[in-house]
Amino acid sequence: GAVVSQHPSRVICKSGTSVKIECRSLDFQATTMFWYRQFPKQSLMLMATSNEGSKATYEQGVEKDKFLINHASLTLSTLTVTSAHPEDSSFYICSARDPSGSGTDTQYFGPGTRLTVL
Amino acid sequence: QKEVEQNSGPLSVPEGAIASLNCTYSDRGSQSFFWYRQYSGKSPELIMFIYSNGDKEDGRFTAQLNKASQYVSLLIRDSQPSDSATYLCARISGNTPLVFGKGTRLSVIA
Repeated sequence: GAVVSQHPSRVICKSGTSVKIECRSLDFQATTMFWYRQFPKQSLMLMATSNEGSKATYEQGVEKDKFLINHASLTLSTLTVTSAHPEDSSFYICSARDPSGSGTDTQYFGPGTRLTVL
Repeated sequence: QKEVEQNSGPLSVPEGAIASLNCTYSDRGSQSFFWYRQYSGKSPELIMFIYSNGDKEDGRFTAQLNKASQYVSLLIRDSQPSDSATYLCARISGNTPLVFGKGTRLSVIA
């Protein structure tokens, strides 16, 4: 299957700082990328849909000013958690849609970024 | 009504047995269905997708789709302890994001 990378894999930061997470599709062009968050033993929660060259669409309850998403190219989307607080500590996972699959668009996940805010 | 429903489990099967994971969905406009495997602390990994009624086989995995009954299943033959994970069923319609079920936890007992 297609490969999606995510960087960094783990980050620890102090409360009030901003953290940027990068998501790249390595072997396909992704016009659409998605950002999820997952708390321990809970389901994936979609945060936002990111379309190349346009503003992200945020799910209800997700603060767009806190979680800044930029999808500057067909292979790169970034999520910036601004003024992070301990309650933002979570597992952040990006996903990219590959439109070149046989018969259907397929969504592949990056390995995730574990954010810990002290 | 939840859009995609899965039994949360845990589903326990002995090593070598067939594990059967089931999923129902409510949106008849759903076009394609996906099964992902997620190990604890890791991100989801795509196992297979299906969009036509019937069976689709890939190695030890078989996905089954019945659109009339709004039912998708995943069979894992010759289950191994390494198959122990949470299995997520998801559906898509058009350009909408994937809609996931809450997942079924599978435990394969050696």
